[in-house]
Amino acid sequence: SQELEQSPQSLIVQEGKNLTINCTSSKTLYGLYWYKQKYGEGLIFLMMLQKGGEEKSHEKITAKLDEKKQQSSLHITASQPSHAGIYLCGAHPGYSSASKIIFGSGTRLSIRP
Amino acid sequence: GAVVSQHPSWVICKSGTSVKIECRSLDFQATTMFWYRQFPKQSLMLMATSNEGSKATYEQGVEKDKFLINHASLTLSTLTVTSAHPEDSSFYICSVLTGLENTEAFFGQGTRLTVV
Repeated sequence: SQELEQSPQSLIVQEGKNLTINCTSSKTLYGLYWYKQKYGEGLIFLMMLQKGGEEKSHEKITAKLDEKKQQSSLHITASQPSHAGIYLCGAHPGYSSASKIIFGSGTRLSIRP
Repeated sequence: GAVVSQHPSWVICKSGTSVKIECRSLDFQATTMFWYRQFPKQSLMLMATSNEGSKATYEQGVEKDKFLINHASLTLSTLTVTSAHPEDSSFYICSVLTGLENTEAFFGQGTRLTVV
């Protein structure tokens, strides 16, 4: 079965600094999602990547999917306190996009003022 | 995007009782919904896939008799935690897929269950 590994598990970053979170799959990814979650709350959709080499940006967050579609990175530029939370990558465990999403272990991000 | 509503947001129940959690898609019809569970400081673990008009598909290790799923309509799926125990205390969250290729996933706000 497909597994998603995220690194690092936790991260403390000085406000204003850049950071990167990685998500690695044991198999080819058919649809890679990035979500943000405040603990005990629902998930906020950030971005979805499908094509190898694809890159998307929204405000100060950029997500990339490598050409082999087995690794994705989430990069935050000039981090702010509002970026704090848990970041989760998710993917469909199979070729069919109309299927369940499994999640990585999550990365807990704290921003130090 | 799609609006997914869960109810209740939080619930406290006594050991041995049953609790029902509702997941509604407010602005579109969902033939499939997904139920996840999240323990503190852990990621979301898929429990089951809820299929409208048919039986739910449970992930390995999830007891179907304990976590009853009913998807009687295209806008509502329910998860009932039967004979709840303290170890069932968790954050339960539902999800739907939408979009032309079912590539857009939206989540409810989650339900925090505490069993005392």
